[in-house]
Amino acid sequence: KNEVEQSPQNLTAQEGEFITINCSYSVGISALHWLQQHPGGGIVSLFMLSSGKKKHGRLIATINIQEKHSSLHITASHPRDSAVYICAVYNTDKLIFGTGTRLQVFP
Amino acid sequence: DAGVTQSPTHLIKTRGQQVTLRCSPKSGHDTVSWYQQALGQGPQFIFQYYEEEERQRGNFPDRFSGHQFPNYSSELNVNALLLGDSALYLCASSLGQLSPLHFGNGTRLTVT
Repeated sequence: KNEVEQSPQNLTAQEGEFITINCSYSVGISALHWLQQHPGGGIVSLFMLSSGKKKHGRLIATINIQEKHSSLHITASHPRDSAVYICAVYNTDKLIFGTGTRLQVFP
Repeated sequence: DAGVTQSPTHLIKTRGQQVTLRCSPKSGHDTVSWYQQALGQGPQFIFQYYEEEERQRGNFPDRFSGHQFPNYSSELNVNALLLGDSALYLCASSLGQLSPLHFGNGTRLTVT
C-alpha cells in the first residue's frame, strides 16, 4: 500500500463543475503540498499546508491532520484546469508523492 | 527574477554511460531537491541539498550522486546508466525546507 493515496486516479468534468480530489496518507507529516503538472512535465506548487484551509482564486485546499486526509477543490472548473494534480507530504525531511489525479475538463 | 532552470532539457545516453544534470535554483533559495519521474508515475525523491551537503536521501543506489555549489546551484550525476533510469528528472528549490517548492521544467533522460 502506498504511503500517499489519491482518488480518483482519473476525473473528467464539464466546464463549470465543482471538482474534488482527495489525498490520504499513512505517515506522520510536517506539511502537505498540492502540485499541478501539465503535459510536458512542468510542475507548479499550488498550496503548502499543515493545518486548516487555504484558498487561492478558484482553488481551495483543506487538511485534517487527525484523519490524515486532504482535499483539493476547484470551483467553476475550466478547460485550462486540465492537468495532473499531485499530493505530496513531508515525512522525516523527505517528500513522498502520490501517483496523481488526471483531470480533464471539457467545454 | 528567473525561476528554477534545468539543463539540458533533453538527453539521450547509452547504457553504461554517465550523465550530469544541472539545476539553478530560484534566486534567494538555498535548498535544492532532485526527483525522478518515470512515465505515468508520480515523482520519487532522490536527495536534497542544503549548505552544500546532502541532507536527505531517498531509495536510490549509490550510482546517483549529487553536489551543491556555494551559489546553491546543484548537479545530479548518474553513473553506469541502466535502461530503467530513463525518466524525467525534476529539480525543485525552496528557502529552507518547509517552504513552498519551485520546480524546474525537468530534464528528460532517455537511455538506449
